[in-house]
Amino acid sequence: DSGVTQTPKHLITATGQRVTLRCSPRSGDLSVYWYQQSLDQGLQFLIQYYNGEERAKGNILERFSAQQFPDLHSELNLSSLELGDSALYFCASSAQTGLNTEAFFGQGTRLTVV
Amino acid sequence: GQQVMQIPQYQHVQEGEDFTTYCNSSTTLSNIQWYKQRPGGHPVFLIQLVKSGEVKKQKRLTFQFGEAKKNSSLHITATQTTDVGTYFCAGPPYNTDKLIFGTGTRLQVFP
Repeated sequence: DSGVTQTPKHLITATGQRVTLRCSPRSGDLSVYWYQQSLDQGLQFLIQYYNGEERAKGNILERFSAQQFPDLHSELNLSSLELGDSALYFCASSAQTGLNTEAFFGQGTRLTVV
Repeated sequence: GQQVMQIPQYQHVQEGEDFTTYCNSSTTLSNIQWYKQRPGGHPVFLIQLVKSGEVKKQKRLTFQFGEAKKNSSLHITATQTTDVGTYFCAGPPYNTDKLIFGTGTRLQVFP
């Protein structure tokens, strides 16, 4: 158990809909990352937050947004969903943004858009 | 944009054979991290290297960080079926907080 909790584990929704994925980082970790992993593909960096503020952005679509709340949990919002958004979405946390520390991954949320 | 490529993409070996995956970044990295993702699982941290030219060992695994801090390798000696999975390198380009993952190498070990 990495200590990172993601909910829900599975999500099936229709095209055009909006969903929210939730992540609770390890206790004490201030940094949260979001990644997208399509079937048998690599991990695409979406966005990173540190202590409530956006710190780095990757190839995140405009239809996607995220935030980190004062209690450090984070949410990834995906809107106007398309079939191609079907993927495994991982959240990871680490202790600091210096990135001289490891990232701990949650179990992921498997999103299926039908 | 910043890219981190790994070769090979796939590797099938007989149990007991050695395995190496190579990681190459288009930009200099502050450090290099390696992760293993078992089928159906999530990435799990293996190790981090920070210094140029650094070499670290974990039992049958040997990790190297290149002198220019743009490449790295992971070598597994005498593979076992428990080594099956996808191995990713990852690192933050200098002066960024992004943790960019490599394309991954999927290892299959046949008994």
